Amino acid sequence: SQTIHQWPATLVQPVGSPLSLECTVEGTSNPNLYWYRQAAGRGLQLLFYSVGIGQISSEVPQNLSASRPQDRQFILSSKKLLLSDSGFYLCAWSDPARGREKLFFGSGTQLSVL
Amino acid sequence: SQQGEEDPQALSIQEGENATMNCSYKTSINNLQWYRQNSGRGLVHLILIRSNEREKHSGRLRVTLDTSKKSSSLLITASRAADTASYFCAPMDSNYQLIWGAGTKLIIKP
Repeated sequence: SQTIHQWPATLVQPVGSPLSLECTVEGTSNPNLYWYRQAAGRGLQLLFYSVGIGQISSEVPQNLSASRPQDRQFILSSKKLLLSDSGFYLCAWSDPARGREKLFFGSGTQLSVL
Repeated sequence: SQQGEEDPQALSIQEGENATMNCSYKTSINNLQWYRQNSGRGLVHLILIRSNEREKHSGRLRVTLDTSKKSSSLLITASRAADTASYFCAPMDSNYQLIWGAGTKLIIKP
């Protein structure tokens, strides 16, 4: 069966520090991968999605970047964190044959930038 | 705004009662999905209803869709404590983008 791993679960970082969040998927190949951010009490905002290695689409201009160095690995990065980067970050995958008809989410990373 | 909107924002009911949550949207859609999120966790896909469907069932879940009113409802029958969570609707627009609302926070009281 397919599983998605996201880490760390919680992260507290100072303003101006770098960021690296990692997500890996097991049990499937060539998944569509997504990074979402969820502000407290709000819905999800799509940050990046990828349909293949090295293929990244950015939905919202921001202080963050994403990379997909391997088929089932998706990384969210920042060179210098801002206070506004705080939030709950979720990685997700979907079967390319189904597009976005069913997303499978990781357990999330709560990022606090202080 | 093309954001989906859930109503009510919060709902508290007794265990065993039925819970109804509503979702409204503003654009044409291909389908509409409902997800559940336990506190501090990822979202779990519950059900998808296509634009040409009016009602769909899955276990204790019943979803309706009225494209003329641009609205959907999620009914959870015979609620249980484990149903306590936030519920999100996600309409998929004609560009295959998911539009997320702020969710309904459901609390089931024992």
